Amino acid sequence: GQQVMQIPQYQHVQEGEDFTTYCNSSTTLSNIQWYKQRPGGHPVFLIQLVKSGEVKKQKRLTFQFGEAKKNSSLHITATQTTDVGTYFCAGPPNTGNQFYFGTGTSLTVIP
Amino acid sequence: DVKVTQSSRYLVKRTGEKVFLECVQDMDHENMFWYRQDPGLGLRLIYFSYDVKMKEKGDIPEGYSVSREKKERFSLILESASTNQTSMYLCASIDSPFAHEQYFGPGTRLTVT
Repeated sequence: GQQVMQIPQYQHVQEGEDFTTYCNSSTTLSNIQWYKQRPGGHPVFLIQLVKSGEVKKQKRLTFQFGEAKKNSSLHITATQTTDVGTYFCAGPPNTGNQFYFGTGTSLTVIP
Repeated sequence: DVKVTQSSRYLVKRTGEKVFLECVQDMDHENMFWYRQDPGLGLRLIYFSYDVKMKEKGDIPEGYSVSREKKERFSLILESASTNQTSMYLCASIDSPFAHEQYFGPGTRLTVT
């Protein structure tokens, strides 16, 4: 079945260092969405990318959607303690109403 | 402000009990989802519904059933709770999977003893 894997599963960084999480789907996605879940909270939508090769930025966060629409990445520049949480990619396949979440990357930022 | 609510934040049930988890959204969304979240496994889709009385199995439907009698309400039922169903359960809704974000409820942490 459909699989969406993320690497790494865990990442510890010193505050100020950069961070990247990678998302890979076994099938083509219609779009890719990124969510952030703070410890003890629920996933909250960050952004959606729709076009092949699309790149979007939100302040220190840069999101990319691969050319084949099967992979994506989230890069955070100069991490801050407020970036702590688990980051999930997610998206629907090209057909159907399904929705698949990645396995998530848990980010810890050391002050 | 959009809202997805879940009936309980914390729930403790005994093995073999029937468990109902309720989810209500006030956004008139067509699609609703039930996920369970376990460490290292991310969010796994249990069931989803794209219309009233319509349901489809997700990746891990075994041991669960759902009910959607009204558009705003999507219920997850554990017919006979087992200890391996101890988990965080998250409900979400979305207008269209192809255009919009999912809105999540606060989650229900279910412990089966």
